[in-house]
Amino acid sequence: GAVVSQHPSWVICKSGTSVKIECRSLDFQATTMFWYRQFPKQSLMLMATSNEGSKATYEQGVEKDKFLINHASLTLSTLTVTSAHPEDSSFYICSARDGMGPQHFGDGTRLSIL
Amino acid sequence: GESVGLHLPTLSVQEGDNSIINCAYSNSASDYFIWYKQESGKGPQFIIDIRSNMDKRQGQRVTVLLNKTVKHLSLQIAATQPGDSAVYFCAERIEGGGNKLTFGTGTQLKVEL
Repeated sequence: GAVVSQHPSWVICKSGTSVKIECRSLDFQATTMFWYRQFPKQSLMLMATSNEGSKATYEQGVEKDKFLINHASLTLSTLTVTSAHPEDSSFYICSARDGMGPQHFGDGTRLSIL
Repeated sequence: GESVGLHLPTLSVQEGDNSIINCAYSNSASDYFIWYKQESGKGPQFIIDIRSNMDKRQGQRVTVLLNKTVKHLSLQIAATQPGDSAVYFCAERIEGGGNKLTFGTGTQLKVEL
């Protein structure tokens, strides 16, 4: 149980394009999902908390107009990196909580901007 | 083998030995702690958790110890196997912080045959 699926797992695109990443909770409902960013050999940094039916809560320093989050249902949150540039290249990971338990993570999306 | 806090990012152990991975946290308001295992190219995988009203919790081959006095958390892996090779992160949740987690730096565990 508590499976979180992320898609795509890997994407390469040209600078200036927008990229959408999906995060789904497959066997449970999640009113809250989280988006993280991870650079090579570093820890996970929380970007934002995605709330079903309401606006996301962004961490300090994260541009909300750059990283658009939509949590349209209890099983789906999306992160759109708008007008992506090479410095946005990173490993993006989402998580969701199953009730009162721990956060369960997807397998991440490796984003490479050329 | 034993790691020391966040200043020793790599821990090498022999297969079959016990591993101890340490984590120091700074916020005394943290009420919940989790250990995650992350293999290369994958997301973190839940291993074990512990609430602040406990000081020890055991799982299958793993034990988490919590010392609130010195704000220290450890993960013990018994009979370490090659499949245990990964980066291990501790994470803490601050009470009243909206269920957000703060992750530690991580420790790379390498199991030598």
